[in-house]
Amino acid sequence: EIVLTQSPATLSLSPGERATLSCRASQSVSSYLAWYQQKPGQAPRLLIYDASNRATGIPARFSGSRSGTDFTLTISSLEPEDFAVYYCQHRSFGPGTKVDIK
Amino acid sequence: QVQLVQSGAELKKPGASVKVSCKASGYTFTTYAMNWVRQAPGQGLEWMGWIHTNTGNPTYAQGFTGRFVFSLDTSVSTAYLQISDLKADDTAVYYCARGRSCSDGGCYHDYWGQGALVTVSS
Repeated sequence: EIVLTQSPATLSLSPGERATLSCRASQSVSSYLAWYQQKPGQAPRLLIYDASNRATGIPARFSGSRSGTDFTLTISSLEPEDFAVYYCQHRSFGPGTKVDIK
Repeated sequence: QVQLVQSGAELKKPGASVKVSCKASGYTFTTYAMNWVRQAPGQGLEWMGWIHTNTGNPTYAQGFTGRFVFSLDTSVSTAYLQISDLKADDTAVYYCARGRSCSDGGCYHDYWGQGALVTVSS
């Protein structure tokens, strides 16, 4: 079973700053990896699929990349609505990274 | 527009059963898989598995075999999750999520239901 590890657990940043979230797979998943955003009381939302493709309607400030089994979600300039929990997923989900306001 | 509408919150006693529904609209139901995801209070997302809406063939994730059953009624574009012999740690929000690009690596979940809270308490 492939295990996804996300770091950091919490990221404290200010609006306008750049956020870099990491997800490491325990073995190769090729580029089959997605990122989701979840806000309190809401269902998750698909942001990125196939490691680097933005889902429909997702702003360009969200981008994904891959290097081997390491994946990165980058939010180029945080908007107030971006403070949320982010999960990576390949079959199962990683434990999540909470992005909160510094 | 694509919508997944789930049934309402349930309060059940330990040992009882519950059936959560997920009604799809805005697309052809049998062309996308349906996934189920559990989220316990204050916890992360757990993928429970998926059901092939064309064949009815389910795939259950580790830890979700035996008491958990996925089913369909394609005539009303609805997927179901039934949980039997409920335990206190089944208390969670259960989401259905449409699956695309499904493979052995699972599916991407591009549309989600609003979630159904199941509370198990004596």
